[in-house]
Amino acid sequence: QSALTQPASVSGSPGQSITISCTGTSSDVGGFNYVSWYQQHPGKAPKLMIYDVSNRPSGVSNRFSGSKSGNTASLTISGLQAEDEADYYCSSYTSSSNRVFGGGTKLTVL
Amino acid sequence: QVQLVESGGGVVQPGRSLRLSCAASGFTFSSYPMHWVRQAPGKGLEWVALISYDGSSKYYTDSVKGRFSISRDNSKNTLYLQMNSLRPEDTAVYYCARELAIAAAGFRGDYWGQGNLVIVSS
Repeated sequence: QSALTQPASVSGSPGQSITISCTGTSSDVGGFNYVSWYQQHPGKAPKLMIYDVSNRPSGVSNRFSGSKSGNTASLTISGLQAEDEADYYCSSYTSSSNRVFGGGTKLTVL
Repeated sequence: QVQLVESGGGVVQPGRSLRLSCAASGFTFSSYPMHWVRQAPGKGLEWVALISYDGSSKYYTDSVKGRFSISRDNSKNTLYLQMNSLRPEDTAVYYCARELAIAAAGFRGDYWGQGNLVIVSS
């Protein structure tokens, strides 16, 4: 099972918006609306930020939003804050009933 | 509040076995599917396995099929990962995670354990 493709790094200044992409195939991202996004700070367990493409769990800031077009899902963070600096991972359900993660994206807040 | 506490990690020689446990509290454990996810040192996340709320369905990533076994004891509110024929590439922090809803679709891990380090080395 190949990992989903994410950019290794993205950066933005406080207050700006950034978007992280997550590209898969029709057997995973493109075939199902089961894409999730996780935030992980160094030494900590991941935190669920978005599930089922665009849903936010209770307690997650509405500055985080998700979308999907074809085989590519995206996480957008608006009004960037210093605390958003972290690693971000996407995951998707697959046609073999498994789950797969992206390689991760390091977000730097300048 | 929801808590997931892993145990059982450590250093093990290649080819040997290890069993991880994940003790759950603060929610009705028997109503939720559960996952194991791992992260090699300095690397990204890798989904490992999923078990349905009642233990009747189990799924594994290809690299651990035939070697790892996920199970649960709903009477003890505990999730397990039996790891056999361990390899150096299995070295990682292993997390248990609760699936958001009873119908496991995708990976929607809304609560995670603190992680448990497994090192496979001679």
